[in-house]
Amino acid sequence: AQSVTQPDIHITVSEGASLELRCNYSYGATPYLFWYVQSPGQGLQLLLKYFSGDTLVQGIKGFEAEFKRSQSSFNLRKPSVHWSDAAEYFCAVGLTGGGNKLTFGTGTQLKVEL
Amino acid sequence: GAVVSQHPSWVICKSGTSVKIECRSLDFQATTMFWYRQFPKQSLMLMATSNEGSKATYEQGVEKDKFLINHASLTLSTLTVTSAHPEDSSFYICSALKGRGSSYEQYFGPGTRLTVT
Repeated sequence: AQSVTQPDIHITVSEGASLELRCNYSYGATPYLFWYVQSPGQGLQLLLKYFSGDTLVQGIKGFEAEFKRSQSSFNLRKPSVHWSDAAEYFCAVGLTGGGNKLTFGTGTQLKVEL
Repeated sequence: GAVVSQHPSWVICKSGTSVKIECRSLDFQATTMFWYRQFPKQSLMLMATSNEGSKATYEQGVEKDKFLINHASLTLSTLTVTSAHPEDSSFYICSALKGRGSSYEQYFGPGTRLTVT
């Protein structure tokens, strides 16, 4: 069965600093990979996704992620964090092919210091 | 855009009663919707896949007689927690699937906080 690991439960960065959130997955084939952000009172919002092709994926709000097959990783990055980026971030993997079900990591809580 | 709503946003019920949660796709039709459960500070756990016009598919360990799912139309799926107990208290999130194959995307509702007293 597929699994997703987000090793960092909490991360604190200063506003304007760069950010990298780690995500590792376990799956037998090339998965569909996603990053979501969850803010209080709001539904999960998709930041970006990787299905195939270019391994560097650009998303919304200035986020990007890079798929590295050799490391089974899909880390999320942002060059300059804004205070409004404080939220919970989830990495997820979807089954290639049927089902369209997602398996989520345990999330990383991002705190931004002003 | 693609908007998914949930109603109610929060509910408190007494132990032994049933509570229904609605999930609606407001501006698109969704043949497939998903129901997740999220415990505090934890990940989302998929409970079941809801397909319009057919029975829901439950994940292993989820009691289908306790968590009744009905996907009566292309824009509405409901989750009924029957004979609720305090351990059913949780944050329930639905999503609706838009697209097919490699272009699919799940759009999530804002969630429903259930507290069973």
